[in-house]
Amino acid sequence: KQEVTQIPAALSVPEGENLVLNCSFTDSAIYNLQWFRQDPGKGLTSLLLIQSSQREQTSGRLNASLDKSSGRSTLYIAASQPGDSATYLCAVDMTSGTYKYIFGTGTRLKVLA
Amino acid sequence: NAGVTQTPKFRVLKTGQSMTLLCAQDMNHEYMYWYRQDPGMGLRLIHYSVGEGTTAKGEVPDGYNVSRLKKQNFLLGLESAAPSQTSVYFCASNRGARGETQYFGPGTRLLVL
Repeated sequence: KQEVTQIPAALSVPEGENLVLNCSFTDSAIYNLQWFRQDPGKGLTSLLLIQSSQREQTSGRLNASLDKSSGRSTLYIAASQPGDSATYLCAVDMTSGTYKYIFGTGTRLKVLA
Repeated sequence: NAGVTQTPKFRVLKTGQSMTLLCAQDMNHEYMYWYRQDPGMGLRLIHYSVGEGTTAKGEVPDGYNVSRLKKQNFLLGLESAAPSQTSVYFCASNRGARGETQYFGPGTRLLVL
């Protein structure tokens, strides 16, 4: 059974710092991996989606990498800002079975001004 | 476009009461999903639908029923609410093509006393 883990569960950093969020998964037979952002009391917003054949995706200050063989993905946030404060979740879509995502428990990020 | 909307935003139920959560999307998406989010457990898939008139069980379907009579609506029913169903419920949708992101609603917070 696929398990998706995100460590740390919470992170607090000063503004301007570059940071890395981690996501690990136990079964490498994934179709793609996605990173989401969730603001308090809100739904999820997709940030980046990496296909299994890709190594990384970039959007603005965000860069997500994928290493399928080691079961890891990282989300790199450059020059963090207070507006980046949110919970970040990763989710994997398995190769087998119907298309549906398995989510990690998230990393709660706080960027201090 | 309103995207994905959920009704109601918040509800308090007594044990044994029933209710229906409504999800609506205006993006002509084929696939729709119901998740629950609990502290420390991430999002877990309850039921999903791959098109009008279809439904399928997800990871935690017990105690819930769903219906997709119209393409734009996906209803989640609780026939006899239990305190274990206290959670935040999210609806999501997408076109269904592999590799496409899901679009999430703002969530419904349910408290069962």
